[in-house]
Amino acid sequence: DVKVTQSSRYLVKRTGEKVFLECVQDMDHENMFWYRQDPGLGLRLIYFSYDVKMKEKGDIPEGYSVSREKKERFSLILESASTNQTSMYLCASSGSGGIWAGELFFGEGSRLTVL
Amino acid sequence: QKEVEQNSGPLSVPEGAIASLNCTYSDRGSQSFFWYRQYSGKSPELIMFIYSNGDKEDGRFTAQLNKASQYVSLLIRDSQPSDSATYLCAVNSDGGNQFYFGTGTSLTVIP
Repeated sequence: DVKVTQSSRYLVKRTGEKVFLECVQDMDHENMFWYRQDPGLGLRLIYFSYDVKMKEKGDIPEGYSVSREKKERFSLILESASTNQTSMYLCASSGSGGIWAGELFFGEGSRLTVL
Repeated sequence: QKEVEQNSGPLSVPEGAIASLNCTYSDRGSQSFFWYRQYSGKSPELIMFIYSNGDKEDGRFTAQLNKASQYVSLLIRDSQPSDSATYLCAVNSDGGNQFYFGTGTSLTVIP
């Protein structure tokens, strides 16, 4: 069974704290993604990575950074959390090789609350 | 900005009816199109994808694509209460790395 695992389902942090969200996939996928999902705004891409140590900005990268040191692991970092980063964060992975590889496999999500 | 638009709903249909979900996209270069279902409190899961003009059927689900009109739809026949969820339309423009999502349509199937 394919699996994308996110390290924490629920987190509560204070403004200014550094936050790490980790994601691990066991499908040997090249591509990994971090989205945030907010009511009325849908899924918005923060960053994605198509290979180890490679990263590309998505639509809303401000306030976030990412790390991909191993193929199976993709971390999202909030250097200094702010209240407007309270959201559901979804990690996803996909294979490569044309349109057939287009299916995204999502983790269960990490609901972050910043107080 | 590549845009994908859906009616947010909520869309309510009686059990056994056909539910019709619509999506338009702005990038004419878009290559493949996906419908994800998301139950409340859960993560999205893929139910259909389509990349050629026309219809694609899978059980009770039919995806329809019209690239000239930049329009993709999902029909759910014989709707069941278990189909009640938010349906997300996603578009892939560059062959693998980026997916653009609509805001989703909330569907409720009334028993």
